[in-house]
Amino acid sequence: AQTVTQSQPEMSVQEAETVTLSCTYDTSESNYYLFWYKQPPSRQMILVIRQEAYKQQNATENRFSVNFQKAAKSFSLKISDSQLGDTAMYFCAFPAHSNSGYALNFGKGTSLLVTP
Amino acid sequence: EAGVAQSPRYKIIEKRQSVAFWCNPISGHATLYWYQQILGQGPKLLIQFQNNGVVDDSQLPKDRFSAERLKGVDSTLKIQPAKLEDSAVYLCASSIPGGGTEAFFGQGTRLTVV
Repeated sequence: AQTVTQSQPEMSVQEAETVTLSCTYDTSESNYYLFWYKQPPSRQMILVIRQEAYKQQNATENRFSVNFQKAAKSFSLKISDSQLGDTAMYFCAFPAHSNSGYALNFGKGTSLLVTP
Repeated sequence: EAGVAQSPRYKIIEKRQSVAFWCNPISGHATLYWYQQILGQGPKLLIQFQNNGVVDDSQLPKDRFSAERLKGVDSTLKIQPAKLEDSAVYLCASSIPGGGTEAFFGQGTRLTVV
């Protein structure tokens, strides 16, 4: 079974500081993608960043970057220069293959609070 | 580009009543998903469509939940009869097929069963 584990239910960071959210996963596949999604209070899930497993270089999107450790099956999200608007639930997700398609399998999420 | 549209945004019903949710995906997206998100948890896949065919409905409680995607575009998810434990946010998402593609989500419907 392909599982996604987020071990930090809640985190807090001060504005302008850096925070890292952890995610581990389990899979027997060799090539795959990993995602971080953000869910603000409006409930709409928004893609933050995506990583391809066969790429050794860690993905970066502006203030967001990942630390992808394939052997350890670890995929953490680093948010630099945190902003109040980063307050949200963050979900790590892995596309599980079933029948003829892929569907995202989500972790339980980390609630991030950015304080002034 | 218009996003994924869902309605209604909120719904309160009594247990044993029925309810339906509607989703209009992004134009051209062949894959459509319905997720259930219980408070404090990550979304759980209920059903996945490819065009108007079901790809995966292994986690759909088929004794009370049903879903259809007519003409491979809009989709409706129905619960009949509802139970208290069905209280959750129901999220619809769409994407082009493939394991590395981004799924685009609607704002969800918050269902409260009393």
